Amino acid sequence: EVQLVESGGGLAQPGGSLRLSCAASGFTFSSYWMSWVRQAPGKGLECVAKIKQDGSDKYYVDSVKGRFTISRDNAKNSLYLQMNNLGAEDTAVYYCARHSWGSLEYWGRGTLVTVSS
Amino acid sequence: DVVMTQSPLSLPVTLGQPASISCRSSQSLVHNDGNTYLTWFQQRPGQSPRRLIYKVSNRDSGVPDRFSGSGSGTDFTLKISRVEAEDVGVYYCMQGTHWPGTFGQGTKVEIK
Repeated sequence: EVQLVESGGGLAQPGGSLRLSCAASGFTFSSYWMSWVRQAPGKGLECVAKIKQDGSDKYYVDSVKGRFTISRDNAKNSLYLQMNNLGAEDTAVYYCARHSWGSLEYWGRGTLVTVSS
Repeated sequence: DVVMTQSPLSLPVTLGQPASISCRSSQSLVHNDGNTYLTWFQQRPGQSPRRLIYKVSNRDSGVPDRFSGSGSGTDFTLKISRVEAEDVGVYYCMQGTHWPGTFGQGTKVEIK
């Protein structure tokens, strides 16, 4: 069974940092593109970043470029999102998702990031 | 970025009746590889999104056959042939052809 479990969310101050993790199991992690998607409270969905199987290609939405870094450790079956210089607009539930057939097939339960002073 | 526009945004439906959601994109979703990466998701209250349909019309494993997807180019539709109580939630279309992937605003399906 495919499982994606996010962790690392919490309360951060404006300008602060957080590092999200996603533990993957039930599939060959190194064979799939992976993404982070966020959903602000009561709002819609936004693709934040995605990373190729071997980590050689990374893509970011413009609003997080230069502040967020996606990475992965295939030996640990883990996906990460380093978030720096956080602002109120980054408050959201962050989901880890596995790609297949050109879209996001499996999603984790998400981890809530709240940016507030 | 590609803008995805869904309609309606709210859809009250009688149990057992059909429902249809439209999704339009601001540019063609046909990829250079010939595929059209249009996906439909269901998000039940308090849950993560669940993929229902990928590449316009392919139903995911375990998705009831009352759900179907169709369309091409910039115009797509999700149909539920007979709405059941468990179908209540918000439905999103998403394009994965162009980065960043973008979602529609969501259509809230509720029972009348």
